[in-house]
Amino acid sequence: SAVISQKPSRDICQRGTSLTIQCQVDSQVTMMFWYRQQPGQSLTLIATANQGSEATYESGFVIDKFPISRPNLTFSTLTVSNMSPEDSSIYLCSAGTSGASREQFFGPGTRLTVL
Amino acid sequence: GNSVTQMEGPVTLSEEAFLTINCTYTATGYPSLFWYVQYPGEGLQLLLKATKADDKGSNKGFEATYRKETTSFHLEKGSVQVSDSAVYFCALSEYGNKLVFGAGTILRVKS
Repeated sequence: SAVISQKPSRDICQRGTSLTIQCQVDSQVTMMFWYRQQPGQSLTLIATANQGSEATYESGFVIDKFPISRPNLTFSTLTVSNMSPEDSSIYLCSAGTSGASREQFFGPGTRLTVL
Repeated sequence: GNSVTQMEGPVTLSEEAFLTINCTYTATGYPSLFWYVQYPGEGLQLLLKATKADDKGSNKGFEATYRKETTSFHLEKGSVQVSDSAVYFCALSEYGNKLVFGAGTILRVKS
């Protein structure tokens, strides 16, 4: 298994600003992902963070709004840009290794409130 | 595309009652199946998993069996405790290791 930490754990931000969330894994992993969990909802995949190259975004998510970096096998960042109240959500990082089990481990999440 | 359907909640049970949370899936290939649990104010924890047909995942008294013929992965526990109160998510993983989640089922256990 992998232990994942995220910073910050929560933040309250003003409309129009940007926030960068950091995700650190305690071991080298093949796959890293970013999910969004809107209030009272399930999780939706934002993108796959690819080491050393551009992230792969899911339908409805774009790089200009959610730029992602992954400089190495244990670290990734997600930026929520030009925020609006609709961006208020929990943002979760996950990590896993390729292989038959395909399991992923999740960080504790970043609870974002946009005023 | 792939999808996961869970029974709607909230599910409210008394302590020591039997729990079933239904989960069915739609997938084009052979997915791995998971149950995750989210306790209040916390992130997701992997509860159990199954990677092929007829596999049974189990952990902390919870069980689920991968049924390919009925495309189901129902979660069961013989005797729930107040500490089991949480949101339970069924999920599948196929190509690219991406997870597709169900809507989640809130479980409330009363003492």
